[in-house]
Amino acid sequence: KQEVTQIPAALSVPEGENLVLNCSFTDSAIYNLQWFRQDPGKGLTSLLLIQSSQREQTSGRLNASLDKSSGRSTLYIAASQPGDSATYLCAVPYGNNRLAFGKGNQVVVIP
Amino acid sequence: DGGITQSPKYLFRKEGQNVTLSCEQNLNHDAMYWYRQDPGQGLRLIYYSQIVNDFQKGDIAEGYSVSREKKESFPLTVTSAQKNPTAFYLCASSIQGFGQPQHFGDGTRLSIL
Repeated sequence: KQEVTQIPAALSVPEGENLVLNCSFTDSAIYNLQWFRQDPGKGLTSLLLIQSSQREQTSGRLNASLDKSSGRSTLYIAASQPGDSATYLCAVPYGNNRLAFGKGNQVVVIP
Repeated sequence: DGGITQSPKYLFRKEGQNVTLSCEQNLNHDAMYWYRQDPGQGLRLIYYSQIVNDFQKGDIAEGYSVSREKKESFPLTVTSAQKNPTAFYLCASSIQGFGQPQHFGDGTRLSIL
C-alpha cells in the first residue's frame, strides 16, 4: 500500500517569505500526484495535479515539482500572504482508483 | 455551477441512532467516494463507488453503509455499530478511470450528543 508523508506537520512564516512544503511517497511508480488546500471546516480544493511524466507544474504563485525516483514532491508558494494560511495535502492514486493522502502541512502566514 | 453538495453541514447523533449524510453531484461523474477525517489525521476512505448500483468497501467501512441508486447521489449511513462516529466526513467524485482528479464537497461534521 502506498504511504504518503508530509513534513513539516505545521509551520509559521512571516508574510512575504516563500513557502516550501514537502510530500514523500513510498512507491515511486505513481501515475500522478495532486496537491490540495483545505481551509478550517471546509472541503478540499485542488491546487495542482502533476503527471508522472512531468517534473513540475505551475499555477500563479504556486509551483509543484515531482521527483519520482526519490519519491518526493515539493510545493512552493512564492511571496506568501496571510490568505495562504491553510492546510495543504498531497495525494497519490493507488489500487482501484483510491487516493493515499498525507496528513497535511498546516501553514500560518503571519502579517 | 457544477459541484458537489453535502448536507447537512452539522449533524448530531444520539446513542443507538443511525444517521444519513447526503452527497449530491451534478458533475456527471461516475465515481464517488466517502472519506473520514479526524484531527491530525489524513483522509481515510470509507466506501467508494465506480458506477451506479455498485460500491466497494474502503479501509474503514465497519459501522457504515452506502447505496448508489442514482448517478448523482451517494448517501452514507453511520450506523449505531460505529462506536466513534465523531469526525468530519467528506464526499468526492471523479471521472471513472485510474488517477482521475477527485473533486470534493464542503463536508459534514458529525458529533455525538
